[in-house]
Amino acid sequence: VLAQSPGTLSLSPGERATLSCRASRSISSSYLAWYQHKPGQAPRLLIYATSNRATGIPDKFSGSGSGTDFTLTISSLEPEDFAVYYCQQYSRSLYTFGQGTKLEIK
Amino acid sequence: EVQLVESGGGLIQPGGSLRLACAASGFTFVDYAMHWVRQAPGKGLEWVSGINWRADHIDQADSVKGRFTISRDNAKNFLYLQMNSLGPEDTGFYYCAAGRTLSYHFAFWGQGRLVTVSS
Repeated sequence: VLAQSPGTLSLSPGERATLSCRASRSISSSYLAWYQHKPGQAPRLLIYATSNRATGIPDKFSGSGSGTDFTLTISSLEPEDFAVYYCQQYSRSLYTFGQGTKLEIK
Repeated sequence: EVQLVESGGGLIQPGGSLRLACAASGFTFVDYAMHWVRQAPGKGLEWVSGINWRADHIDQADSVKGRFTISRDNAKNFLYLQMNSLGPEDTGFYYCAAGRTLSYHFAFWGQGRLVTVSS
């Protein structure tokens, strides 16, 4: 199980966003990814293997963590960053997503 | 340009069957495991099923075991999801996704296809 917090995060453009993802048991850092999802669009891979940015993802997005606690940080929010963010893990041949954090404009 | 384009879906009565297809282009299809991920209305993402490049290893979520079957045609670069015994809980957007072999994430995604199970 992956638990994301907070459920909703209200911030202003230019602010820093910190999103949390907690696993119910320790997972390999290779098995943790983050996605951005906007309404009506395909989800987009941001970070894989905890801290590796996917192709074309700007360096304002960064991932960190180990064991059971992982974090996605967006250094300076821009209007296009407001979306729902999901963490995802792989374990025992199954894939699980967190329930998502909605990042909204304050 | 990488493209994953889903087709099929629509409105189906409870207990019915439906097949989704996903046309892949812009990448080497056989280098990737393929997956289906869905999103129920107002809910988060849920992985449904995955198939490796040779189609000799398939994994599924417990929620669809015995009802859904994933398959692929490497000659045509297509992924399929046969869905049987559909229930209202299967309603949602279904996304086709690709993950490079030996990776544990979904690098490419389709735009999704809506499946509505209702009488």
